[in-house]
Amino acid sequence: EVQLVQSGAEVKKPGESLKISCKGSGYSFTSYWIGWVRQMPGKGLEWMGIIYPGDSDTRYSPSFQGQVTISADKSISTAYLQWSSLKASDTAMYYCARRIGEQWLVLDYWGQGTLVTVSS
Amino acid sequence: AIRITQSPSSLSASTGDRVTITCRASQGISSYLAWYQQKPGKAPKLLIYAASTLQSGVPSRFSGSGSGTDFTLTISCLQSEDFATYYCQQYYSYLPTFGQGTKVEIK
Repeated sequence: EVQLVQSGAEVKKPGESLKISCKGSGYSFTSYWIGWVRQMPGKGLEWMGIIYPGDSDTRYSPSFQGQVTISADKSISTAYLQWSSLKASDTAMYYCARRIGEQWLVLDYWGQGTLVTVSS
Repeated sequence: AIRITQSPSSLSASTGDRVTITCRASQGISSYLAWYQQKPGKAPKLLIYAASTLQSGVPSRFSGSGSGTDFTLTISCLQSEDFATYYCQQYYSYLPTFGQGTKVEIK
């Protein structure tokens, strides 16, 4: 069974750093891209970026380029999303999800989400 | 970036109703459109991709159509478990974008 399990909720202060994780199982982790999607409170879905764990090829949305870093450790089947200096506006639910295949940039299996709250 | 306009933003319907949600792209995207369902407090779930291909395990009351700029998600006979928010997503460009969402509520 394909599963993506994300790390737990985080409460941070502005300016702090954070790295959240997404562990894949039940499939060949290195053969499928992993995407990250943001959902701010009460709002819609925003594409942040995507990584291919096989070679760490990473593509960012221009809106998130330079604001976050996406990485992966294929030895432990885990992808990461990190911030070096959080802002209150980073408060959101963050989802990782698996790209369905090379032909379509569509996300078929999703993690349960990680809620990040940034507040002083 | 390709803009996706989804309508309506919300609708009220009863179980058994036929429901239609539309997405319009700011430029032609061929059939590179997907639909997701999201229930409160849950992750989105893929329903349809390539405009009309039903994801495995999704009930056949869901269907998608369209190509170019205009797309439709239809729920043929609304069930209680279908009350949720629905999003379309284009993946024609290197930067996928989502519609604003349509909340389907109980009338």
